[in-house]
Amino acid sequence: EDKVVQSPLSLVVHEGDTVTLNCSYEVTNFRSLLWYKQEKKAPTFLFMLTSSGIEKKSGRLSSILDKKELFSILNITATQTGDSAIYLCAVGNNRLAFGKGNQVVVIP
Amino acid sequence: GAVVSQHPSRVICKSGTSVKIECRSLDFQATTMFWYRQFPKQSLMLMATSNEGSKATYEQGVEKDKFLINHASLTLSTLTVTSAHPEDSSFYICSAHHAGEGRVEQYFGPGTRLTVT
Repeated sequence: EDKVVQSPLSLVVHEGDTVTLNCSYEVTNFRSLLWYKQEKKAPTFLFMLTSSGIEKKSGRLSSILDKKELFSILNITATQTGDSAIYLCAVGNNRLAFGKGNQVVVIP
Repeated sequence: GAVVSQHPSRVICKSGTSVKIECRSLDFQATTMFWYRQFPKQSLMLMATSNEGSKATYEQGVEKDKFLINHASLTLSTLTVTSAHPEDSSFYICSAHHAGEGRVEQYFGPGTRLTVT
């Protein structure tokens, strides 16, 4: 059975802090790892990672994948209250297995 | 990015009735779409994989006679919740598989909040 484990499950930080979210996985058919941000509605796509060691960046967010150790990290620097959300990690091929999410709360 | 729409965004129905939810990929063709449900404060649970022109593949524990999926075209998949009960109340989300130039991505629709009274 495919497994995706995210940690920490929830955290509270102050604006300006840096957040590091972890996603480890065991899946039978790996093709990509995806990060999504979910606020009140459906998840919105952040990153897709397929190769180890190549950092993807988008503004204050960045992510990297380690296919040898089977994990990925999502970093958020200089956090803002708008970063408050659940961050979902999903792994697989067509069929994705999702982790439970990292709930991030950024307080002013 | 690619756009996926879902309709309706919110529906309230009486117990015993059926509800149809549509999922459309607006600017790309999706041979594969996925249906998820999400309970409050929980992650997405894959219900089924919908393939254009063929039968859907259901996850273990999901009743295919209760959750009917039809993928009639490359841009439309529908999920019909038949004989709905209050325990079917949930957030239903579809996603469409968008592959191109060596990339494999899934884009989510905005979700449908179903409440069964």
